[in-house]
Amino acid sequence: QPVLTQPPSVSATPGQKVIISCSGSNSNIARNYVSWYQQFPGTAPKLLIYENNKRPSGIPDRFSGSKSGTSATLGITGLQTGDEADYYCGTWESSLSAGVFGGGTKLTVL
Amino acid sequence: EVHLVESGGGLVKPGGSLRLSCAASGFTFTSYNMNWVRQAPGKGLEWVSSISTSGSHIYYADSLKGRFTISRDNTKNSLSLQMNSLRAEDTAVYYCTREPTVGDYLDFWGQGTLVTVSS
Repeated sequence: QPVLTQPPSVSATPGQKVIISCSGSNSNIARNYVSWYQQFPGTAPKLLIYENNKRPSGIPDRFSGSKSGTSATLGITGLQTGDEADYYCGTWESSLSAGVFGGGTKLTVL
Repeated sequence: EVHLVESGGGLVKPGGSLRLSCAASGFTFTSYNMNWVRQAPGKGLEWVSSISTSGSHIYYADSLKGRFTISRDNTKNSLSLQMNSLRAEDTAVYYCTREPTVGDYLDFWGQGTLVTVSS
């Protein structure tokens, strides 16, 4: 079972906003930065958000991240059909000295 | 342009061994920690291992300790993963990933190499 908990799926219509949650604990999210990754079928994941809320160059500002306590969220505004993908949160698990990911959330843009 | 190219995947019998390699180019290899992440068919991401810039700090997923060994050759800009005593549950695409030394995130991923453990 993944250390971080994400909803298996979320859906919304084009133009809307969606929030994907990532729940952890005091030994992972609360103590370390959270990152988010986007993965299209058959391709490698891509970094979307790092250090809780920073966007790498080239990532549109429709994507945002936040963290509070033991949880983090990824927000996507102005949804496009091209945003349909799997989204994963990740962080460091201090009690294990290991990286951890959420189980992933499949975004469907109806 | 950053390139991470994995190789060495393939079909191996349970109990067998395999060595994965990752050739890095387009950046200063010695300035980055490196990680392996895997993804079983139809499943989510699973962190496997990380190695610091000099190789002095190494971490493994608890479930893999003792069977997998990560290493790097900074003279050849390459990362390796030696996998022993392979099991069916090790079947996955293995990604080579780059990690900036400041911040726990993976900023670039290779395309992955498929490892299939089956008799």
